[in-house]
Amino acid sequence: DSGVTQTPKHLITATGQRVTLRCSPRSGDLSVYWYQQSLDQGLQFLIQYYNGEERAKGNILERFSAQQFPDLHSELNLSSLELGDSALYFCASSVETAYNEQFFGPGTRLTVL
Amino acid sequence: QKEVEQDPGPLSVPEGAIVSLNCTYSNSAFQYFMWYRQYSRKGPELLMYTYSSGNKEDGRFTAQVDKSSKYISLFIRDSQPSDSATYLCAILISSGSARQLTFGSGTQLTVLP
Repeated sequence: DSGVTQTPKHLITATGQRVTLRCSPRSGDLSVYWYQQSLDQGLQFLIQYYNGEERAKGNILERFSAQQFPDLHSELNLSSLELGDSALYFCASSVETAYNEQFFGPGTRLTVL
Repeated sequence: QKEVEQDPGPLSVPEGAIVSLNCTYSNSAFQYFMWYRQYSRKGPELLMYTYSSGNKEDGRFTAQVDKSSKYISLFIRDSQPSDSATYLCAILISSGSARQLTFGSGTQLTVLP
């Protein structure tokens, strides 16, 4: 158990819908990261928040957005969902060390029908 | 060209074999080189990290980096069935509090008893 929690574990929805994925980082970790993992694209970095502010952005679609709240939990919002958005979404958190060990949550499996 | 290319596998070896997993990268700005292990239906977990050319050992695992050829490797000695997992190379760029990990596509390893 990494100490990072994600809800829900599974989500099934329809195209065009909007969903929210939630992440609680390990106690004391200020950084939260979101990743998408699919069979064809592998594990792709989406976005990083540090203490409530966006710090780094990867291959995140404009239909996707995230935020980090004052209690440091984070939400990833996915809208206008397409079939291709079906994937595992991971959240990770880290302390601020040079090598930045990231601790991953168990993931949310999103299925878009 | 992807920033990080990883030998795709899958790889199947008998128990006790030496395993070699390999990645190449293109961006000289990468600062830390990591190997994550991902068991089925779990989030990735950090196995090893290094930042300089050369070898780093941790028990049965050795991480090797050659910055001149932009090549990283992970060797597993005396492989065990419990090593069966997907191994992901990952490379870190950081700037201030911004952190971006770029992952290879992963190599699925099966160690047969």
